[in-house]
Amino acid sequence: GESVGLHLPTLSVQEGDNSIINCAYSNSASDYFIWYKQESGKGPQFIIDIRSNMDKRQGQRVTVLLNKTVKHLSLQIAATQPGDSAVYFCAENIGVNRDDKIIFGKGTRLHILP
Amino acid sequence: DVKVTQSSRYLVKRTGEKVFLECVQDMDHENMFWYRQDPGLGLRLIYFSYDVKMKEKGDIPEGYSVSREKKERFSLILESASTNQTSMYLCASSRGTSAYNEQFFGPGTRLTVL
Repeated sequence: GESVGLHLPTLSVQEGDNSIINCAYSNSASDYFIWYKQESGKGPQFIIDIRSNMDKRQGQRVTVLLNKTVKHLSLQIAATQPGDSAVYFCAENIGVNRDDKIIFGKGTRLHILP
Repeated sequence: DVKVTQSSRYLVKRTGEKVFLECVQDMDHENMFWYRQDPGLGLRLIYFSYDVKMKEKGDIPEGYSVSREKKERFSLILESASTNQTSMYLCASSRGTSAYNEQFFGPGTRLTVL
């Protein structure tokens, strides 16, 4: 069935190092993917998105990589900072209709070590 | 700045009570969503609406209803609250008719049903 999941529930990274958060999806028809960041006590916040006709997209300190062959999505955060501590969700969408749903993964908690 | 607000951050209710969770967005978005977020389960879609007076069931609509009388407001109703509805409830909105649109989330309402 359809699912969006994460390889690791918790990731600990040294401050200043790069972080890589992984996500696997099972539906080959998914054509749009999003990464969200959720800080403690707040709602999820959009970080970056990518469409299925791309394999890489860069933002400010973040890069999303999409490998459709193995149905894998990753979020790379460069020079991780204490403010990056949060839970990160990947999400996928199928189709372009207005009533299509976005399916969220369960989340990975990123912990920054001093 | 885009803004989604929810009427309460914390709410405690008793079993059998009728509960109203209110969500308001000031971005003139067409689409609005209600999710619940539980540890280990991620975000699950309860209901969504893509127009005034329109509503669609999400993945877990049982025990809930919604109301969208005005474009900016989307209410989630628990007709008779039960303890298994203790959860974090998140409202979101997005613009337009395309699924390729970012969802903006509110801060969430943590509901406890005793």
